Amino acid sequence: GAVVSQHPSWVICKSGTSVKIECRSLDFQATTMFWYRQFPKQSLMLMATSNEGSKATYEQGVEKDKFLINHASLTLSTLTVTSAHPEDSSFYICSARGQGAGQPQHFGDGTRLSIL
Amino acid sequence: AQSVTQPDIHITVSEGASLELRCNYSYGATPYLFWYVQSPGQGLQLLLKYFSGDTLVQGIKGFEAEFKRSQSSFNLRKPSVHWSDAAEYFCAVSTGGFKTIFGAGTRLFVKA
Repeated sequence: GAVVSQHPSWVICKSGTSVKIECRSLDFQATTMFWYRQFPKQSLMLMATSNEGSKATYEQGVEKDKFLINHASLTLSTLTVTSAHPEDSSFYICSARGQGAGQPQHFGDGTRLSIL
Repeated sequence: AQSVTQPDIHITVSEGASLELRCNYSYGATPYLFWYVQSPGQGLQLLLKYFSGDTLVQGIKGFEAEFKRSQSSFNLRKPSVHWSDAAEYFCAVSTGGFKTIFGAGTRLFVKA
């Protein structure tokens, strides 16, 4: 089946640093990639959607300068949390979807980000 | 606007008992429907999907779901639950366009 690799799985860093999270589709071409944030015991909150080679589309309330998304190729998207602060601590999950109507999203295993 | 409702925040079933998780959607046409499972600290795994055709779809891990257009429902079922099935389950709908909408999730507890 389709595999999405997300790295790192766990990050702890000091307040003010920037953190980059990678999301790779290993065995299919991801036309569209999605970034979610998930708070404890809650559903997924879509942050942004990106198509390869174009700028990401951010959901309302998500700071695009804070959460930089790059989708440079059909297999790689990155999320950079810039100048991270404790309130950015969360579980971030990426997903990827191939081309074609109704294609399911395939998810990475998530990244637990803790800002001290 | 499209929406997905999972009426049950959590459900507890005994191991070996049958399971049904409810999902209702709101959309004007026939949507693409999915069920995902999430274990603690992990991403989501696709259990099954419905696009068209037979309204009863089989998935992995012994799960199945039935699409009922008249009820706008896509309930997930399993005849005999195992302790390893304890997890969070998400129903999702895609309109074939850009976005997939997820329900709030149902947490399944399995008691011995």
